[in-house]
Amino acid sequence: DAGVTQSPTHLIKTRGQQVTLRCSPKSGHDTVSWYQQALGQGPQFIFQYYEEEERQRGNFPDRFSGHQFPNYSSELNVNALLLGDSALYLCASRHRANNEKLFFGSGTQLSVL
Amino acid sequence: TQLLEQSPQFLSIQEGENLTVYCNSSSVFSSLQWYRQEPGEGPVLLVTVVTGGEVKKLKRLTFQFGDARKDSSLHITAAQPGDTGLYLCAGGRNRDDKIIFGKGTRLHILP
Repeated sequence: DAGVTQSPTHLIKTRGQQVTLRCSPKSGHDTVSWYQQALGQGPQFIFQYYEEEERQRGNFPDRFSGHQFPNYSSELNVNALLLGDSALYLCASRHRANNEKLFFGSGTQLSVL
Repeated sequence: TQLLEQSPQFLSIQEGENLTVYCNSSSVFSSLQWYRQEPGEGPVLLVTVVTGGEVKKLKRLTFQFGDARKDSSLHITAAQPGDTGLYLCAGGRNRDDKIIFGKGTRLHILP
């Protein structure tokens, strides 16, 4: 049983570019959340998807957008990258009715130069 | 705004010592979770506490949920170098809610 998988593992971009990160949830999970974790900080909630719609959103600008597909996989898109967007981006999955157990992928380390 | 405050931010102790880290909030949570994260990896769930006053044990780790469901603690007995890592507390207001995280306690156990 595969856990949460994210791709790519590392990415280097320059300011102003756009990036797409991908996540496949754990088998049986229908809800995907994305988090941004800056160095030395805890994960910050970006948004959550289930039934292919954004259901909750944290305090992130509209440059951050996402999508969920019918197979529950998800993408995170960031436009007009800033240096401050450099961080570890984590995807977490769970079953919709149970937020007591989040399963995380290993993350995508994004560096913006 | 929900906030989870963790203390201390950093802790470096000798192998064999005991330690306690704290997670506090002014908000009530339906559950609090503790995760451990190692460099280059995502957080891994250690335990979930749901009932006010609940105590759960995981080998040398003891987790407690405050009576008012606003705070939690993690106590480690006889710490070992393998306990080194970032310990994160997290919670949601109800079972459908987003999970928010504290900033974490970075623990280093010296051999």
